[in-house]
Amino acid sequence: ELKVEQNPLFLSMQEGKNYTIYCNYSTTSDRLYWYRQDPGKSLESLFVLLSNGAVKQEGRLMASLDTKARLSTLHITAAVHDLSATYFCAVDSMRFGAGTRLTVKP
Amino acid sequence: SQTIHQWPATLVQPVGSPLSLECTVEGTSNPNLYWYRQAAGRGLQLLFYSVGIGQISSEVPQNLSASRPQDRQFILSSKKLLLSDSGFYLCAWSVRDPGTQYFGPGTRLLVL
Repeated sequence: ELKVEQNPLFLSMQEGKNYTIYCNYSTTSDRLYWYRQDPGKSLESLFVLLSNGAVKQEGRLMASLDTKARLSTLHITAAVHDLSATYFCAVDSMRFGAGTRLTVKP
Repeated sequence: SQTIHQWPATLVQPVGSPLSLECTVEGTSNPNLYWYRQAAGRGLQLLFYSVGIGQISSEVPQNLSASRPQDRQFILSSKKLLLSDSGFYLCAWSVRDPGTQYFGPGTRLLVL
């Protein structure tokens, strides 16, 4: 059974700081997805990583994929309050991690 | 452009009552369709997915069922709701599997 583990599950950080969210998965896969969910809202797609070594960046977020280590990271640079949300990774399209609830404080 | 609709947006139902949630997609043909449940403050649990009309795969044995009577319509049902059925129900579609999923606005269900 495919397992997808995210850590940390809760992250409180100050504006301007950097941090990384980790997504580990248990079986071979070369497709990894990141989504964002604002409180009380649905999910929206952030990144699709399709091969080993893939890196995608948008604004203050950068995602990478290491299929050999079965690990994806979502790096936050110089966090701002607008990034406060829950971030999910998903493997093989349908298998989601538990989510990382990010709170960025002034 | 493609859009996905879910209704109702909010539902309060008594234990033991039936349930029908509907999801429709516009602007695409033969999408893969998915139902997820999200308990308060938790992750997404895949309930059902469908690759075509009448083709339903169930992920978790429970008192819920799903049907796909038309290409772009996906229905989640229950004959008798349980308290544990409360949650945020999300429908999603994708062009292919695996592929990026596009989520609907969700239905918040409270079973009392």
